[in-house]
Amino acid sequence: KAGVTQTPRYLIKTRGQQVTLSCSPISGHRSVSWYQQTPGQGLQFLFEYFSETQRNKGNFPGRFSGRQFSNSRSEMNVSTLELGDSALYLCASSLSGTGSTDTQYFGPGTRLTVL
Amino acid sequence: AQSVTQLDSQVPVFEEAPVELRCNYSSSVSVYLFWYVQYPNQGLQLLLKYLSGSTLVKGINGFEAEFNKSQTSFHLRKPSVHISDTAEYFCAALGPGGGNKLTFGTGTQLKVEL
Repeated sequence: KAGVTQTPRYLIKTRGQQVTLSCSPISGHRSVSWYQQTPGQGLQFLFEYFSETQRNKGNFPGRFSGRQFSNSRSEMNVSTLELGDSALYLCASSLSGTGSTDTQYFGPGTRLTVL
Repeated sequence: AQSVTQLDSQVPVFEEAPVELRCNYSSSVSVYLFWYVQYPNQGLQLLLKYLSGSTLVKGINGFEAEFNKSQTSFHLRKPSVHISDTAEYFCAALGPGGGNKLTFGTGTQLKVEL
């Protein structure tokens, strides 16, 4: 079974631009979560989607948004990029969205650099 | 207070020596606890998880962890490390809130030396 895939793997943008990152979960998985990883703040939860609905949201500004499609693929969008948005963005998928029983599988991440 | 605390940011150890990576959690998160490993330029891989039952949990690559409710700890151990264990290790807990949200510790860089 193919793992979680994220595209693109690397991205360079300039301040003020917007960016869209994509995550394809493992086949059959319906939950997709997004995390931001930076040296200063570590791993921080952005949001989680389950069956096309946002189920949980972290403490990030409204510039960060996401969505999930009927095939469970998910995208996250960051508008008006700031230098501090430079990070590794990781997505994770799980089968049914019940974290107490399902393992979350992480993708390799998208490395975003904002200049 | 941090929800999940990893006190050691770096742990150097010689190959074939035992290692313990420490993790403490607070009451603000659940007692569903996880250890993940991250190799350079890669995502996170689950090593092991504690959901309920036996407090000693065995994972992949020879790692194990012990859940201690009274000390609110979930320390990761390996009796004999290998060079290939060099990586960053993250302790995580489910919550707060519902769904799949994980709260991570700040990570411990394990460096195995010859």
